[in-house]
Amino acid sequence: QLVLTQSPSASASLGASVRLTCTVTSAHSTFPIAWLQQHSGRGPRFLMKINNDGSHNKGDGIPDRFSGSGSGAARYLTISSLQSEDEADYYCQTSKVFGGGTKLTVL
Amino acid sequence: EVQMVESGGGLVQPGGSLRLSCEVSGFTFRNYWLSWVRQTPGKGLEWVANIKEDGSEKQYVDSVKGRFTISRDNAKNSLYLEMSSLRVEDAAIYYCARDQSDSNTPAIFDYWGQGVLVAVSS
Repeated sequence: QLVLTQSPSASASLGASVRLTCTVTSAHSTFPIAWLQQHSGRGPRFLMKINNDGSHNKGDGIPDRFSGSGSGAARYLTISSLQSEDEADYYCQTSKVFGGGTKLTVL
Repeated sequence: EVQMVESGGGLVQPGGSLRLSCEVSGFTFRNYWLSWVRQTPGKGLEWVANIKEDGSEKQYVDSVKGRFTISRDNAKNSLYLEMSSLRVEDAAIYYCARDQSDSNTPAIFDYWGQGVLVAVSS
């Protein structure tokens, strides 16, 4: 059964970098995943698709501060030069399955 | 600019019915699989149903099979979700979403609407 695992919360300081992790069940480690950003009261926004080789394709208008990578069953979203507007929930998704989401707090 | 705009939500009693709509602009509607996804505070994001580009294939999460029907009108660039026999546990924000993948690769949802609230209560 396909499962995406995320840490429930993360925090980092304004201007710093943070890396969020999504772990795919090993049997599905070749699946591409999407990273989604959701601000409170808004619909999800597609950030990027990360392929199993670590390559990624960003969505429209996504700043260069957002980057993605992968290693084995792990898919990473790195946000550099954190800004206050980056405080949001971040979800990974593939097939018809979603991770539980990571709530990012910018200190 | 891609826009996906849901409508049709509201408060309904258990056992009642509701029809959600999603009007789309900014991309060639008939070329994409589309999905409905719902979100509740307790269960996070949950995929509900999807429909193939030409409407010939439809899939549903087990909990809504036999009660919900997904459809589309490619002439109107619109996606629909007919919900009947609604249960308290169907209460959620419902989103329409575009799948950028084809039939042979895992779904990746790259555009989303703003969501519509469905409340089920007596």
